[in-house]
Amino acid sequence: NAGVMQNPRHLVRRRGQEARLRCSPMKGHSHVYWYRQLPEEGLKFMVYLQKENIIDESGMPKERFSAEFPKEGPSILRIQQVVRGDSAAYFCASSVHRQETQYFGPGTRLLVL
Amino acid sequence: AQTVTQSQPEMSVQEAETVTLSCTYDTSESNYYLFWYKQPPSRQMILVIRQEAYKQQNATENRFSVNFQKAAKSFSLKISDSQLGDTAMYFCAFMTNNNNDMRFGAGTRLTVKP
Repeated sequence: NAGVMQNPRHLVRRRGQEARLRCSPMKGHSHVYWYRQLPEEGLKFMVYLQKENIIDESGMPKERFSAEFPKEGPSILRIQQVVRGDSAAYFCASSVHRQETQYFGPGTRLLVL
Repeated sequence: AQTVTQSQPEMSVQEAETVTLSCTYDTSESNYYLFWYKQPPSRQMILVIRQEAYKQQNATENRFSVNFQKAAKSFSLKISDSQLGDTAMYFCAFMTNNNNDMRFGAGTRLTVKP
């Protein structure tokens, strides 16, 4: 049973470009969470999705950031017009139900030049 | 506000010895879940142990055990017979029935010395 998959593992973008981060949850998991980790800090919640629905996006910046979890395919975290402050590790987690343990992917390290 | 505090930014322990990592949290909820995650140099987040707040018995997982003090809102992690592979950042986290997100502490960097 494969774990949570994230790709790419590393992404380099120049300021103003778009970044697309993908997350495939564990088999049987329909709940997906995105977190951001700045250097030397803990993870901060961004958004929680179920298939085709955004349940809670209270942790996501209002501008430039969006997330989706389509019926088919991976969840996508999209950052438009990236700035240097977006440089961070972005982790995706999935769970069977909302209150069940979240299992994390390996993360995507985004570097904005 | 719901917060998690890890008061030890860095700790070290000799191989084969025991170490305890501290974690306190603040919440007004009565139903919640507590977690310890390990983040080795690969930066993968790995679940170490989970505790349900309604359970009085402390969770254990091989060499890892917790001391859950609900009244004190304390959730410390004890690592017995420390191994070099235990070297990592350790994050304490919790989530409640009424929230969708998991709250993380700032982490404790543990180094196991040979």
